[in-house]
Amino acid sequence: QVQLQESGPGLVKPSETLSLTCAVSGDSITTYYWTWIRQPAGKGLEWIGRFYASGDTNYNPSLRNRVTMSVDTSKNQFFLKLTSVTAADTAVYYCARDVIIRGGETLFYYGVDVWGQGTTVTVSS
Amino acid sequence: SYEVTQPPSVSVSPGQTASITCSGDKLGDKYACWYQQKPGQSPALVIYQDDKRPSGIPERFSGSNSGNTATLTISGTQAVDEADYYCQAWDSSTHVVFGGGTKLTVL
Repeated sequence: QVQLQESGPGLVKPSETLSLTCAVSGDSITTYYWTWIRQPAGKGLEWIGRFYASGDTNYNPSLRNRVTMSVDTSKNQFFLKLTSVTAADTAVYYCARDVIIRGGETLFYYGVDVWGQGTTVTVSS
Repeated sequence: SYEVTQPPSVSVSPGQTASITCSGDKLGDKYACWYQQKPGQSPALVIYQDDKRPSGIPERFSGSNSGNTATLTISGTQAVDEADYYCQAWDSSTHVVFGGGTKLTVL
């Protein structure tokens, strides 16, 4: 059974960098796409971006200038860095598995099928 | 940028059919997924590829996607189905876009 666990500081000061880790168990991180999604309290879901272990990454255009995703395949972990944070970045951050399968020239999308429990990050001085 | 729109709330009586819509320009040309989120929990996938149910999702959940609208239908709605539901559009260029969410009330 695939499980994901987010970790990182719960409090980040404005203008600093938010750094989160997602540990994956029960599956190889080289097999699928992996994604970060966030949710401000009482609000909807916002896709931050996804990556594949080969280096293929896609970021939300609204966050692209501040986001970096990376991976450590030896530890089966992946990471999120969000720079120059403000109060608007306060949210629950989820890491998740995003299933995209290539069949010849066609991509088949199977959705975000496994989610971590989420970690709350507050941006405040 | 691409956007999809959901109604903020939908109410349904127990045992009746609930329909939650998701609207976007030519949404039928993209994949639609639906997620259920209960208070204090992570979202859970209930429909993918417009109309497919993941293992373990009850048959009362179904989906469709055509034209500009995707629809999540819950037949014989139960109290346990009360939750927030999010639609998600995907294609290889748009990537991932979530709707604003719909609060389903079973009363």
